[in-house]
Amino acid sequence: LAKTTQPISMDSYEGQEVNITCSHNNIATNDYITWYQQFPSQGPRFIIQGYKTKVTNEVASLFIPADRKSSTLSLPRVSLSDTAVYYCLSGDNNNDMRFGAGTRLTVKP
Amino acid sequence: AAGVIQSPRHLIKEKRETATLKCYPIPRHDTVYWYQQGPGQDPQFLISFYEKMQSDKGSIPDRFSAQQFSDYHSELNMSSLELGDSALYFCASSVDRGGDEQFFGPGTRLTVL
Repeated sequence: LAKTTQPISMDSYEGQEVNITCSHNNIATNDYITWYQQFPSQGPRFIIQGYKTKVTNEVASLFIPADRKSSTLSLPRVSLSDTAVYYCLSGDNNNDMRFGAGTRLTVKP
Repeated sequence: AAGVIQSPRHLIKEKRETATLKCYPIPRHDTVYWYQQGPGQDPQFLISFYEKMQSDKGSIPDRFSAQQFSDYHSELNMSSLELGDSALYFCASSVDRGGDEQFFGPGTRLTVL
């Protein structure tokens, strides 16, 4: 299982784009990168998953460079309700992913 | 859409008592995961089941055991409870094992007095 490293916390303001970078230097060939969002006292919620290059859905984009040793979650135009903890996980279909220390994002008015 | 169901939502126990937490996965999901999240902590993976067999094991104490039944629901049994077991316990389910998207339940808040 690849270990991931993220910033402990980040601050932003409403309407800004937020980029959270995750480092996974030992990622294996079959590993995917998955991001979850968690609000206090709620279960984590899936945001996006990718393997290589760029993935975009209705809430976020995920950028993964060619060497796959890092990935960046991009949240466009954040709002106060995006204040949460964001987790980057890596793993493949044969190994359950582990949550590491997430990034606490605080969006200010 | 149906979500993961956990029961009970809240549970208060005394030290050295036992507790059983239940999880009902989303229909047609055959993988169940259990996580423990202490106050201010990140979710810690405990154990998972795929097709009623243990799939992966994390930091689950020996005092805890779990199983997945023929209807795919799962139960986490906790014995000799300690104060440090007070936490939110999340169950998640996915269509397939491993890296597949996990859908989390609302959690069971266990308080050990």
